Amino acid sequence: QKEVEQDPGPLSVPEGAIVSLNCTYSNSAFQYFMWYRQYSRKGPELLMYTYSSGNKEDGRFTAQVDKSSKYISLFIRDSQPSDSATYLCAMKEDSWGKFQFGAGTQVVVTP
Amino acid sequence: NAGVTQTPKFQVLKTGQSMTLQCAQDMNHNSMYWYRQDPGMGLRLIYYSASEGTTDKGEVPNGYNVSRLNKREFSLRLESAAPSQTSVYFCASSEAYGHEQYFGPGTRLTVT
Repeated sequence: QKEVEQDPGPLSVPEGAIVSLNCTYSNSAFQYFMWYRQYSRKGPELLMYTYSSGNKEDGRFTAQVDKSSKYISLFIRDSQPSDSATYLCAMKEDSWGKFQFGAGTQVVVTP
Repeated sequence: NAGVTQTPKFQVLKTGQSMTLQCAQDMNHNSMYWYRQDPGMGLRLIYYSASEGTTDKGEVPNGYNVSRLNKREFSLRLESAAPSQTSVYFCASSEAYGHEQYFGPGTRLTVT
């Protein structure tokens, strides 16, 4: 079993809808949680970072962490065609630890 | 400020050939990483270097070697390429205790 599980999709939504993405993990030592966005044929770029449990909002993006359930989520409000990309979750145990990535979920926002 | 650069962008190798993937960063980061990305597998860590002069194995190191040439450069070498090494390779860097990794554009490698 992988340490980090993520549904590969594709997830197709109409423009303006809310996109809901999630990852589950098995390692209770993870404390740092990240979401990366990767456009086709590009390298990933950091979208959101959260430490421990709780919510974080940045514009149209909201990241949630539920450590008791070992579950993290990313919500994209008012989705745009430019949000079409693959979204990868990533986690690490310590400030100096290695990153563990999920497989990524492909999102397609249709006009 | 170029960020993380990788060369080459594309490469086709025959089984048994060797090659070196080059990576350089201009952000004065201490830590550098090599990942491979395969469909359905996400990013898997091959090797990383926490600081200049140190390297450590990641999740899938077999068949690869690395060199941290200086603070800026971190190369990945395939000594005898195999079809299973067909993948997209990404180099990344981060501050020593940072949570943000900066990725290069990737190298698309095909081994026939």
